[in-house]
Amino acid sequence: QQQVKQSPQSLIVQKGGIPIINCAYENTAFDYFPWYQQFPGKGPALLIAIRPDVSEKKEGRFTISFNKSAKQFSLHIMDSQPGDSATYFCAASRVTGNQFYFGTGTSLTVIP
Amino acid sequence: DTGVSQDPRHKITKRGQNVTFRCDPISEHNRLYWYRQTLGQGPEFLTYFQNEAQLEKSRLLSDRFSAERPKGSFSTLEIQRTEQGDSAMYLCASSLNLAGTTDTQYFGPGTRLTVL
Repeated sequence: QQQVKQSPQSLIVQKGGIPIINCAYENTAFDYFPWYQQFPGKGPALLIAIRPDVSEKKEGRFTISFNKSAKQFSLHIMDSQPGDSATYFCAASRVTGNQFYFGTGTSLTVIP
Repeated sequence: DTGVSQDPRHKITKRGQNVTFRCDPISEHNRLYWYRQTLGQGPEFLTYFQNEAQLEKSRLLSDRFSAERPKGSFSTLEIQRTEQGDSAMYLCASSLNLAGTTDTQYFGPGTRLTVL
């Protein structure tokens, strides 16, 4: 059973656009939600993370929106650039837990 | 480079052979994780260590898989009698676990295994 569901599977935007990637979870014990960026041939790299006590977090051009009641969270990339083209994974874990549950990934392409 | 390193980066083997991968975590990190990632999927948890103790294993980790972290530093993941279904990227991550905080896991570049 997929603990974290991610959509869309792929996304194409023009440079400067704002791609939005969505994730949903069922386990209400999750309380830590990171986003990872992965380039081909590389391991995932942490982008930004949020805890459910806040509804939004911004770091540079990356913003996480969190809706605790709906059990959903999303990643927004402002002023997207071709260098942002990568696969993005959402994940969830418990603060007291030991493993991350990853979504299936979104392949983002930013067209110059 | 002081990040997580993995060796080898690529491994091609024939079905039935044994393979071993190595992971060197960030030096001060006390936790080390192994994940498996297949094409088009997110990483799936296999096992993790707190120092030298293996504290949790996923049901994905069959009896053919064994992991060690003998001195609480580097770790090895061995797959015996490899099968074609073992073909995947094997990722290692490490973190510094402090009581009451959330670990940030830092991933290595992975070892790509192809079983022919």
